[in-house]
Amino acid sequence: GAGVSQSPSNKVTEKGKDVELRCDPISGHTALYWYRQSLGQGLEFLIYFQGNSAPDKSGLPSDRFSAERTGGSVSTLTIQRTQQEDSAVYLCASSRNPLAGNTDTQYFGPGTRLTVL
Amino acid sequence: DAKTTQPTSMDCAEGRAANLPCNHSTISGNEYVYWYRQIHSQGPQYIIHGLKNNETNEMASLIITEDRKSSTLILPHATLRDTAVYYCIARDDKIIFGKGTRLHILP
Repeated sequence: GAGVSQSPSNKVTEKGKDVELRCDPISGHTALYWYRQSLGQGLEFLIYFQGNSAPDKSGLPSDRFSAERTGGSVSTLTIQRTQQEDSAVYLCASSRNPLAGNTDTQYFGPGTRLTVL
Repeated sequence: DAKTTQPTSMDCAEGRAANLPCNHSTISGNEYVYWYRQIHSQGPQYIIHGLKNNETNEMASLIITEDRKSSTLILPHATLRDTAVYYCIARDDKIIFGKGTRLHILP
C-alpha cells in the first residue's frame, strides 16, 4: 500500500519568507509526527498529533513554527520568516495507534529538504 | 521517558555479526525498546522492538537483559548495505529519537 508521502521534496527559499511543508500519512494511522534533521545530526522531534487530542508541541524550536492536521489526516508544517538555521530535512512519520498496547512503529516519509538562502 | 545511551560509532567487518549495545537503565515496566536505522539520505526504518523477551525477525535479533536496563541489537551477517545510523529508543507512548550509533561495515 501507499506509504507516507511528503511534498515538496525540495524547497529553496529566501530568508524571511514563509514556507509550508505537507505530509500525507498512511491511511488509517492516527498518530503523526514531524521531525527535522540538520546535516550530519540526529533527528529532532518537533510536534506530535494523536487522534483528536491536543498536539504535543514541545519540540517546536520557536513560535515561527506551527503545524496543523486537518481531518485527522494530512498535516502541514508552516515556518514563518524563515532563517538560515531552519535549513534541514523535515521528516514526517505516522503510526497506527501508539495508545493501543503501548507500541508505536513509525513509518517515515522521504522528507522535504529545505534550504534557506 | 527512559533515556538511552549508545556509542557514537562502531565498526564491523562485512559478514560478521554486528552487535549494537544500548543502555536504558531508567526504563520503566511498560516501556518498549525500539530500534530503527537510518541509511544515508533516507528516512528512518523500523527494525525491531521488544518488551521483555528476546525478539527475532528477518532483519535482526534483539536481546534484552533480564533487568531490562540494557539491550543489544544483533545483525547476524552484516553487509555493506547495513551501514547506517542505528537508533535505540525506550518509550511507552510516542517515540523520540536520540543521536544513535553510526555503524560502519568494513569490506
